Amino acid sequence: QQQVKQSPQSLIVQKGGIPIINCAYENTAFDYFPWYQQFPGKGPALLIAIRPDVSEKKEGRFTISFNKSAKQFSLHIMDSQPGDSATYFCAASIEDGGATNKLIFGTGTLLAVQP
Amino acid sequence: DGGITQSPKYLFRKEGQNVTLSCEQNLNHDAMYWYRQDPGQGLRLIYYSQIVNDFQKGDIAEGYSVSREKKESFPLTVTSAQKNPTAFYLCASSIGPGSGEQYFGPGTRLTVT
Repeated sequence: QQQVKQSPQSLIVQKGGIPIINCAYENTAFDYFPWYQQFPGKGPALLIAIRPDVSEKKEGRFTISFNKSAKQFSLHIMDSQPGDSATYFCAASIEDGGATNKLIFGTGTLLAVQP
Repeated sequence: DGGITQSPKYLFRKEGQNVTLSCEQNLNHDAMYWYRQDPGQGLRLIYYSQIVNDFQKGDIAEGYSVSREKKESFPLTVTSAQKNPTAFYLCASSIGPGSGEQYFGPGTRLTVT
């Protein structure tokens, strides 16, 4: 119930391609879904996040698509660049405004964008 | 320059020794977290703190201890009871305990031999 399943484990695309990373969850109480980007040896950086009241959110070249009925969400990177090569983590949490919010992370996707 | 700092970046210890990892934030965030990252396993929550002088165990607290005496500081001690302490340790904070918007520090890589 508390798991977030992420796929694929690794992904290689050519420069300009559109890598897509998928995540699925079971707990319908989750109401906040962030994506983090992590470069080797660095801490994860919050990239973009979505709440279930919208089906899509765009920030620059990054787009989250959210399918509430299927309990799935995905990250799309438009016009991918070699500098986007990193590990991407999806996560989910329950923002109830009071109790501690624990982020549940997926296992990560290692993305390589070839020049 | 607001953010989260962790020190040191690399830490080496002999088996059987306790070691303390530092985490400081100047974001005025109430909540702070410690995660452990191992290859292929994502991030696992060790301890978290909602407010000064209060903290709770996460999913893998055994062999670790924390304190929260100041709002900006949340040190983690890896004790000799932790069976497999070699890992990348990440500290994070959020504006409040109800916020999922967590910001991470640069991490400390601990190697125990």
